[in-house]
Amino acid sequence: KQEVTQIPAALSVPEGENLVLNCSFTDSAIYNLQWFRQDPGKGLTSLLLIQSSQREQTSGRLNASLDKSSGRSTLYIAASQPGDSATYLCALNSNSGYALNFGKGTSLLVTP
Amino acid sequence: NAGVTQTPKFRVLKTGQSMTLLCAQDMNHEYMYWYRQDPGMGLRLIHYSVGEGTTAKGEVPDGYNVSRLKKQNFLLGLESAAPSQTSVYFCASSYRLRGTQETQYFGPGTRLLVL
Repeated sequence: KQEVTQIPAALSVPEGENLVLNCSFTDSAIYNLQWFRQDPGKGLTSLLLIQSSQREQTSGRLNASLDKSSGRSTLYIAASQPGDSATYLCALNSNSGYALNFGKGTSLLVTP
Repeated sequence: NAGVTQTPKFRVLKTGQSMTLLCAQDMNHEYMYWYRQDPGMGLRLIHYSVGEGTTAKGEVPDGYNVSRLKKQNFLLGLESAAPSQTSVYFCASSYRLRGTQETQYFGPGTRLLVL
């Protein structure tokens, strides 16, 4: 069974810092990997989707990378802002099955 | 375009009561999913549907039933609610499972408390 781990569980940084969120997985037979953002009491919003054949995806201040061989993905947030405060979830779509396998998330707080 | 909507937003049930959660999407998506989110457990798939009239079990299906009578709607039913079903329930939909347009879009969630 695919195990998805996100480290750290919580992170607090001052505004303006660049930061990296980590996601590791145990089974490299993935179809794609997604990073989601979840605000308190809200649903999930997809930020970036990386296909298994890709190494990275970028959207604005966000950059996600994927290294299947080492079972790792990172989400890089440049010049963080208080509005980036949320929980960030990593989810994998495996080659078999229909479920997205989610990590437990990293709770990010960006302080002014 | 409302995206994915869920009804109700919040509900309190007594043990043994039944209820139905409604999910609706207006994006003409084929695939629909029900997840539950619990502290320390992450999101887990309950049931999913690959098209109108079809449903299948996910990772944690016990105690739940689903129906997909119309393409745009996916219903999740609890026949006899138990305290272990206290959770936040999310519905999601996608155009495809794999290939292009496979991003899953999530609803705002339904918070359920079973006493």
